[in-house]
Amino acid sequence: AQRVTQPEKLLSVFKGAPVELKCNYSYSGSPELFWYVQYSRQRLQLLLRHISRESIKGFTADLNKGETSFHLKKPFAQEEDSAMYYCALRQTSGSRLTFGEGTQLTVNP
Amino acid sequence: NAGVTQTPKFQVLKTGQSMTLQCAQDMNHEYMSWYRQDPGMGLRLIHYSVGAGITDQGEVPNGYNVSRSTTEDFPLRLLSAAPSQTSVYFCASSFSTDTQYFGPGTRLTVL
Repeated sequence: AQRVTQPEKLLSVFKGAPVELKCNYSYSGSPELFWYVQYSRQRLQLLLRHISRESIKGFTADLNKGETSFHLKKPFAQEEDSAMYYCALRQTSGSRLTFGEGTQLTVNP
Repeated sequence: NAGVTQTPKFQVLKTGQSMTLQCAQDMNHEYMSWYRQDPGMGLRLIHYSVGAGITDQGEVPNGYNVSRSTTEDFPLRLLSAAPSQTSVYFCASSFSTDTQYFGPGTRLTVL
């Protein structure tokens, strides 16, 4: 069965500092990985997906199949990045998403 | 498009009461799902549907029922509410292999 692990429940950085939110997964097949974000009082929304290989709001994430990781990175954190971030996995043959536990990011001024 | 809508936004129940959380989408998505969000546990899949008339259990289905009589609607029923069902509930929809769109959530408290 697939599993997604986000080891940090809370992460606090200062504005302008680099930030990395960790995500590790276990899945025997070839997964599709996502990062979803939930800003305060807003609904959960897609931030980025690995197959798009794009940078959204300065965030990037690279799928490392050898380490089974999909860490989210941003070189210079901004206060508006403060939010709850969820890593999610989807099997290539299905629609179901499996979410990690979430990381609450706080960017301090 | 309204996207994914959920009602009510907030609900307080007593143990043993039943209720239905409503979810609707106007994007003609075939895939719909219900999650519960609990601190430190992320989002856990309760039930999902891949099309009208087809539903299946997710990770934590006990105590919940669903049906999918139309493409647009996917209600979640709590048969006999328990304090362990206090949570925030999210409905989501998508085309089968596309991005999932989430509703605003329903905050449920069971006393």
